[in-house]
Amino acid sequence: EDQVTQSPEALRLQEGESSSLNCSYTVSGLRGLFWYRQDPGKGPEFLFTLYSAGEEKEKERLKATLTKKESFLHITAPKPEDSATYLCAVRAYGGSQGNLIFGKGTKLSVKP
Amino acid sequence: DTEVTQTPKHLVMGMTNKKSLKCEQHMGHRAMYWYKQKAKKPPELMFVYSYEKLSINESVPSRFSPECPNSSLLNLHLHALQPEDSALYLCASSQALSSGGPGEQFFGPGTRLTVL
Repeated sequence: EDQVTQSPEALRLQEGESSSLNCSYTVSGLRGLFWYRQDPGKGPEFLFTLYSAGEEKEKERLKATLTKKESFLHITAPKPEDSATYLCAVRAYGGSQGNLIFGKGTKLSVKP
Repeated sequence: DTEVTQTPKHLVMGMTNKKSLKCEQHMGHRAMYWYKQKAKKPPELMFVYSYEKLSINESVPSRFSPECPNSSLLNLHLHALQPEDSALYLCASSQALSSGGPGEQFFGPGTRLTVL
């Protein structure tokens, strides 16, 4: 069964304290792995697409990496405005077309 | 432009009301989606439209009725809802999956629905 697990559920950082969020996945064939940022009461904001092991994408203080079993979202020198829930989702080849399989998310809090 | 718009932002309705949620995108995407999201949970897929045709209905109760008038618009008609239907309703769009790409989805800001 296709599955996505994110850890930790919640992460509290001091401003400037770098860390990583983990997304472990099990799919029959990975079509794409996606990272989103979601602020309370708002829709998920697309961050990155990864689909090949070894691939890396960067945007400001965020860097996403991908292996055959997991993805990491590295946050370098975070600021309070980086506080949000980060969602990981995968799309597999075959199966139910259109389905994104979401993890439960990691809630990040960055204190000044 | 990677914007998906949704109206209204907030909606309060009684259990006997009929209302509609609207979604629009101008990215040329041919796949559009409705999701329901409860607090502290990930989005839950409800419907998928591909080339304006309903391709997936995730066993959603008939009190939710989707409609795709054209390639840019998606509606969700609501009737006789229950209080447990209160949630954030999200619209998303992506390239058609037949295009072969990974199919990243772009989400709208959502409609916060409260059913009294």
